[in-house]
Formats: sequence, C-alpha cells, structure tokens
Amino acid sequence: LAKTTQPISMDSYEGQEVNITCSHNNIATNDYITWYQQFPSQGPRFIIQGYKTKVTNEVASLFIPADRKSSTLSLPRVSLSDTAVYYCLVGVSAAGNKLTFGGGTRVLVKP
Amino acid sequence: DAEITQSPRHKITETGRQVTLACHQTWNHNNMFWYRQDLGHGLRLIHYSYGVHDTNKGEVSDGYSVSRSNTEDLPLTLESAASSQTSVYFCASSEADVDEQFFGPGTRLTVL
Repeated sequence: LAKTTQPISMDSYEGQEVNITCSHNNIATNDYITWYQQFPSQGPRFIIQGYKTKVTNEVASLFIPADRKSSTLSLPRVSLSDTAVYYCLVGVSAAGNKLTFGGGTRVLVKP
Repeated sequence: DAEITQSPRHKITETGRQVTLACHQTWNHNNMFWYRQDLGHGLRLIHYSYGVHDTNKGEVSDGYSVSRSNTEDLPLTLESAASSQTSVYFCASSEADVDEQFFGPGTRLTVL
C-alpha cells in the first residue's frame, strides 16, 4: 500500500492561501491522488483529483511534481467555512485494495 | 436528487452481538465501499464491491462481511461485535470509470 503522510494540523487566517502537502513515496504508476474535505459529523466530500502536474478547479489547485512522491493541495483565500479536515487519497477504485487515505490535516481558519 | 444514505446514524450494541449497518445509494453506481474512521488512523477500507454479487476485502476486513444483492445496497455486517470495532463507519459509492467517491453521513457504532 502507498503509505500517505500529512501534517496533523495547520492554522491560517481568512484571506490567506493554505497549502497542504501529502507524501506518498511508493505511489504506483496507475494511482491517482484525490483530496477530500470533511466537516464534523459529515462524510468526506470530493475536492480535486489529479495524476501529474497541476490541476485547478473552482475551489482548489493540486500540484504534483514529476516524481509524484508528494502532492500539494492549495486553497486560495480561505474563509472561516474552510475550517475542516482535509484528506489525501492515493489509488484508484479499480484497485480497491490499494486505496490509502492519509491521516488527515485539520485546518483552522481564524478571523 | 440522487443520494447515499446510511442507517442507523447511531448504534450502541454489546460485545458478541451481530450488527448490520445499512448503506443505500440512488446514483446507480457500480462501485461501493465501506470505511471505518478512527482517531489517529484516518479512513481505512473494510470491504468494497464493483457490482452485484461482487465483494472484496479491504485493509481491515477481519470481523466484517458484506453482500451485494442489488446495485443500490451494500450492508455491512459485524458477525460478533468487539469493542475494537467501536468506530464511525462511512459508506461511499463511485461510478465505474470515475474515481470521485460520494460518501454517506456515517454511522457511529459503540460496542460495550
């Protein structure tokens, strides 16, 4: 299994950019990297997914270096409502037994 | 609107009892997953299914079983509940060729 490691927590302030890095040294060739957001008492919610280089959508960007051994989720101009736990997931559904979530990063956005 | 639901949302049971957690999705997704979430461990895959009558073991499958008799449902059974199975359980589903998983609201299970 691709072991995934994330920082446990990080604090930020409204309007700042938050970058969360996930390490996945033994990622497999076919693995994708997916990030989820989770609020208390809710299930995780999809944010963004990528395979290599950079992916951007309306809420986040995902940066993946050429060696793919890490990935960085970037949240631009965070607001208080972005306070949540963020998880990276390495793998693909087609190889379910290799799906590996990171331990999660608790992001606290302060006013 | 399509959705994924779990029931019950909260359950307290005793050691040794059989417990079944329900998961129902209306997206007609082929892929369904069960995870448990514990402090310090994030989400860990218990079982998953790619379609009717297909089931597969995940990372932490011991003590759990699933069955898939239709597309919409993937019930998770704890054959003989143990205190170590106290956790929050999440069900998820995804389309066959798209990897975005849609998660249910979770079931908090306490085994006394």
